[in-house]
Amino acid sequence: AQKVTQAQTEISVVEKEDVTLDCVYETRDTTYYLFWYKQPPSGELVFLIRRNSFDEQNEISGRYSWNFQKSTSSFNFTITASQVVDSAVYFCALSGRRGMRFGAGTRLTVKP
Amino acid sequence: GAVVSQHPSRVICKSGTSVKIECRSLDFQATTMFWYRQFPKQSLMLMATSNEGSKATYEQGVEKDKFLINHASLTLSTLTVTSAHPEDSSFYICSAGTSGNRPRDTQYFGPGTRLTVL
Repeated sequence: AQKVTQAQTEISVVEKEDVTLDCVYETRDTTYYLFWYKQPPSGELVFLIRRNSFDEQNEISGRYSWNFQKSTSSFNFTITASQVVDSAVYFCALSGRRGMRFGAGTRLTVKP
Repeated sequence: GAVVSQHPSRVICKSGTSVKIECRSLDFQATTMFWYRQFPKQSLMLMATSNEGSKATYEQGVEKDKFLINHASLTLSTLTVTSAHPEDSSFYICSAGTSGNRPRDTQYFGPGTRLTVL
């Protein structure tokens, strides 16, 4: 069975603070992909990153960074110097042989 | 990049009617399309997987007779909510992928369709 857990339901920070969104996953597949998506109020999913199970290199893209640790089945997402425009629901997802499993999502609110 | 469209973006219907939602891949051929449902303040839940030219595979708990899926071409999949009821009101999102039976390394999501059943 595949499962994605985002334990943080809601996070509220003040602008310019760093914030880390946690994601833990379970899968029996040896080949799989992990994703992060942002969902603003409009509802449309915005793709942020994809990482395959064989690539544990961390990645940085501007203010965003991701820490993939296979040993702990975690794929955490950090926003540095958060901005009000980062306010949204963020989903971690796992893609295996049958479709994509999403975590429950973390609602991030960045206050000015 | 790849684009997936959905039509309509919003639909309001009366209870008991059927509603059809279209999902199109605009610039690539989608061998597999997925349908998700998202209730307010909840996560996306996979409803079904459809492969072009074959029957859709439904997730546990999803009624195949209520949610009819047709994937007649490599660029179009349709979801028909038959005899819709207020509890079917939700945000329906499709995605399209090209990797066949291999792990879904890339899925392109549509913008979603908000269904409200009165």
